[in-house]
Amino acid sequence: QSVLTQPPSASGTPGQRVTISCSGSHSNIAANTVNWYQQLPGTAPKLLIYSDNQRPSGVPDRFSGSKSGTSASLAISGLQSEDEADYYCASWDDSLNGVFGGGTKLTVL
Amino acid sequence: QVQLVQSGAEVKKPESSVKVSCKASGGTFSSDAINWVRQAPGQGLEWVGRIIPMYDTTNYAEKFQGRVTITADESTNTAYMELSSLISEDTAIYYCARDPLGPPYWYFDHWGRGTLVTVSS
Repeated sequence: QSVLTQPPSASGTPGQRVTISCSGSHSNIAANTVNWYQQLPGTAPKLLIYSDNQRPSGVPDRFSGSKSGTSASLAISGLQSEDEADYYCASWDDSLNGVFGGGTKLTVL
Repeated sequence: QVQLVQSGAEVKKPESSVKVSCKASGGTFSSDAINWVRQAPGQGLEWVGRIIPMYDTTNYAEKFQGRVTITADESTNTAYMELSSLISEDTAIYYCARDPLGPPYWYFDHWGRGTLVTVSS
């Protein structure tokens, strides 16, 4: 049982916009920043969004993050086949623990 | 260019210990935090703990308290994660990852490729 709650799956067709939610609490998402990672099969995770809504260099602007209160969202616009991957949200918890969501498997139909 | 190079795969017997290394290059090892994250087969990511080498301060996930020890050697820019009293459920890929700013901006901008630890009798 993960501390942050994500839907286990999401899907969309090429060109569509998809959002993935991440729900937490006052001690993690509301108090600290949220980050998102993309994990392609057989590879290490890759930082996609940090500090709620910042994109590292090289991440396309099709990816965006937002946060409100104890929830956060990752949006992917102009969906492409190469976006098919697992996506994880993460945040620090004031109990001095790092916490992850359970992951969302994105399928491009 | 920051690189994190991890040690090779390990096969361990139940109740034994494993020590995984993570050698950093290209960054500021002493002041950055190195975190350990694991992923069991077909499962999600799970945070194990972190260390800031400069201060030798550590944080461990509650689940692993008493069973995990994270250390760092500044002379070789290498971090270590030792997990004891291994059980089959500890079978996982263990990743090290750099966390440049720390809470509240806790995020991993560079990851190692992972070390597979298999616990089997």
